[in-house]
Amino acid sequence: AQSVTQLGSHVSVSEGALVLLRCNYSSSVPPYLFWYVQYPNQGLQLLLKYTSAATLVKGINGFEAEFKKSETSFHLTKPSAHMSDAAEYFCAVRRGSNYKLTFGKGTLLTVNP
Amino acid sequence: SQTIHQWPATLVQPVGSPLSLECTVEGTSNPNLYWYRQAAGRGLQLLFYSVGIGQISSEVPQNLSASRPQDRQFILSSKKLLLSDSGFYLCAWSPDSASGPQHFGDGTRLSIL
Repeated sequence: AQSVTQLGSHVSVSEGALVLLRCNYSSSVPPYLFWYVQYPNQGLQLLLKYTSAATLVKGINGFEAEFKKSETSFHLTKPSAHMSDAAEYFCAVRRGSNYKLTFGKGTLLTVNP
Repeated sequence: SQTIHQWPATLVQPVGSPLSLECTVEGTSNPNLYWYRQAAGRGLQLLFYSVGIGQISSEVPQNLSASRPQDRQFILSSKKLLLSDSGFYLCAWSPDSASGPQHFGDGTRLSIL
């Protein structure tokens, strides 16, 4: 069965610093992996997806993620944090039939001025 | 382009009252449709999903039900709300493709008094 673990429920960085949000997955088949962002009282917005093409995936808002099969990881990074990046981030893996997703519990990113 | 509409944005209901939340998708046909609940400080819980008109699968037993009367319409209902039904409800759609991500509506904040 597919599952997702997001290490760190809360990450705090300074504006301009590197953002690193960790995601590890388990999957019995080659995975499809996704990162979403959620701003307060809004739905989830797709940041990027991995679908077995390039292992380094670039998304919106300057974010990227690298798929590492040997480490079963799909960490999300951004070189320089901006105040507008403050939000909750969810990692997800495709599971089962009918294209359902298993979500991690989320990581709340705080950006300090 | 595809869009997803979800309403109302907020709803305050007394315990024991009925519920109807509606979600519609535009710009695509035969989407997979999903209802999630997000409780405060917790991740996303998949409640129902549908792969076609009249086809509903329930993920967890609960006080809620779902219906899909039209291809791009998904309705979440309850006959009698419980306090535990409070939360943030999200509707999502995905194409009928393994690599296609889910796209979310803006959510409904439901408060039960």
